[in-house]
Amino acid sequence: SYVLTQPPSVSVAPGKTARITCGGNNIGSKSVHWYQQKPGQAPVLVIYYDSDRPSGIPERFSGSNSGNTATLTISRVEAGDEADYYCQVWDSSSDREVFGTGTKVTVL
Amino acid sequence: EVQLVESGGGLVKPGGSLRLSCAASGFTFSSYSMNWVRQAPGKGLEWVSSISSSSSYIYYADSVKGRFTISRDNAKNSLYLQMNSLRAEDTAVYYCARSLGSRAADAFDIWGQGTMVTVSS
Repeated sequence: SYVLTQPPSVSVAPGKTARITCGGNNIGSKSVHWYQQKPGQAPVLVIYYDSDRPSGIPERFSGSNSGNTATLTISRVEAGDEADYYCQVWDSSSDREVFGTGTKVTVL
Repeated sequence: EVQLVESGGGLVKPGGSLRLSCAASGFTFSSYSMNWVRQAPGKGLEWVSSISSSSSYIYYADSVKGRFTISRDNAKNSLYLQMNSLRAEDTAVYYCARSLGSRAADAFDIWGQGTMVTVSS
């Protein structure tokens, strides 16, 4: 089955840039979506189709996808960005949705 | 306002059954694929099942295939998850989520607040 690997945690100072990776075999050939989840809340879509932002999501959130790694970038990090982040793809070879292992972003 | 509201969660014994419901409002329910995603306490997100807008395509995670059944009633703007032969490892918050469109590769753009299912004797 298709596996998406994320670093368990990323720490970043306010105002700096956080980069969260999502590794998968030839993930560059798939469409990657990213979700933000704060404690006790439902996930929120922050990036879809590799790099598109839903309305209401700040421009500070951006995404890229190439080769075996997709990346969610959060620029000018704010305290409110502290959350768990998950990547997701559709694995057409098995007809399954796959979520990444999740990354906890801590704002120092 | 676009909204999804889950219900039907609770405490059930191993081997028991439960039916979750998800009431949709604020959008044309029959035009969207729908999904169930769960999250065990302290764990990450796990996809459970998806159903296309007209119920033509249905997919399940291996962990629930043969035990869970997803369905929808477009006339009632409702999504369902029938869960049978429940196990302790099915304990989780179950989220209903809307797909951005009709493609299987679409993102999940709207999520409910979730309903808790606890499987314990």
